[in-house]
Amino acid sequence: QKEVEQDPGPLSVPEGAIVSLNCTYSNSAFQYFMWYRQYSRKGPELLMYTYSSGNKEDGRFTAQVDKSSKYISLFIRDSQPSDSATYLCAMSPFTGGGNKLTFGTGTQLKVEL
Amino acid sequence: DTEVTQTPKHLVMGMTNKKSLKCEQHMGHRAMYWYKQKAKKPPELMFVYSYEKLSINESVPSRFSPECPNSSLLNLHLHALQPEDSALYLCASSRKTRSSYNEQFFGPGTRLTVL
Repeated sequence: QKEVEQDPGPLSVPEGAIVSLNCTYSNSAFQYFMWYRQYSRKGPELLMYTYSSGNKEDGRFTAQVDKSSKYISLFIRDSQPSDSATYLCAMSPFTGGGNKLTFGTGTQLKVEL
Repeated sequence: DTEVTQTPKHLVMGMTNKKSLKCEQHMGHRAMYWYKQKAKKPPELMFVYSYEKLSINESVPSRFSPECPNSSLLNLHLHALQPEDSALYLCASSRKTRSSYNEQFFGPGTRLTVL
């Protein structure tokens, strides 16, 4: 079993839809959770960074962490064609920088006009 | 300046060539990383430098040789690569403090093709 599981998709939604992207994990030591967006042939771009359980909102994006269920989510409201990309979850047990991130496999999202 | 830059964008090399990838950041970050990413896969960590010293080597073959000449620069020297080493090579950087916020910022990557 992988430490982090993420549905690879592809996930196709109409413009304006609410998108829900999810990851589950098995390592209870994970405390720091990130979502990255990666366009084709580009580097990953950090979208959200959260610590421990709870919600964090930034514009159209909301990140949720449920440590009791070992489950994290990213919601995208009013999705746009420009949101079409691969979304990677990542997590780590440590802060302090210089530490290894464990990534999910990524979910490919396509937002259609 | 809040970005990580990488050169070159693309690189094609033969199996007998020696080449180098370069990464630069001016955010004052003291942790820098090299990742390798194959198509439709997540990034795989190769090396981590903390305060210009190698702190993590994920059992990477010796044909990849990292170097951190100063706090802003990170190099990856390549020698005698194999075709299966063709991939997107990503550099990242982060703060290295006791704060809770030490997220990693990635560069655009170098797309490497080994013939």
